[in-house]
Amino acid sequence: DAGITQSPRHKVTETGTPVTLRCHQTENHRYMYWYRQDPGHGLRLIHYSYGVKDTDKGEVSDGYSVSRSKTEDFLLTLESATSSQTSVYFCATGGDSPRVYGYTFGSGTRLTVV
Amino acid sequence: GNSVTQMEGPVTLSEEAFLTINCTYTATGYPSLFWYVQYPGEGLQLLLKATKADDKGSNKGFEATYRKETTSFHLEKGSVQVSDSAVYFCALSGTGANNLFFGTGTRLTVIP
Repeated sequence: DAGITQSPRHKVTETGTPVTLRCHQTENHRYMYWYRQDPGHGLRLIHYSYGVKDTDKGEVSDGYSVSRSKTEDFLLTLESATSSQTSVYFCATGGDSPRVYGYTFGSGTRLTVV
Repeated sequence: GNSVTQMEGPVTLSEEAFLTINCTYTATGYPSLFWYVQYPGEGLQLLLKATKADDKGSNKGFEATYRKETTSFHLEKGSVQVSDSAVYFCALSGTGANNLFFGTGTRLTVIP
């Protein structure tokens, strides 16, 4: 979706290094989410935000932190990357009522930790 | 708690065959239900949705009916095309919650 940009699209990093993934939206959506996608697990929620500076943990938040200082940007940081964090990461946004209208997804970031 | 169970894939069909992908859910209250589609190398796109019991969502020839009595939201299409090859995800949102819970996805391959 043209309204959500994830960067970088691909990244290879070494174990133990910090990594930051960026999600930028032009939809002015209130809600933003980070998911990871792994074979056999579908999409699992890492963290989400319901407004500027308001964030909360999802089901697989260990080893990840997030920040949202502006409505349009939601950053995901892997504090010290591990091989188990090799995955495809998706950002999603939701307007005033995501439970009714669903999410809009970005194109994903493929992260490889070696 | 909230959860979604999808039929195991992969599913391989010939062009013009009938498609059913099963989805059942567990939820408290009255969730909304969604089907998303993911084409290779892309993010997920909303395919259709239903927000209350007996609602039918439809889009691009796909349909799914929200069945509260069987806690199901099965995806159907009468005649699949090669271009329908993708991974399909069933999802639900809990009552009062703005997070979606996704199934594990079902890969569909349609062969000419």
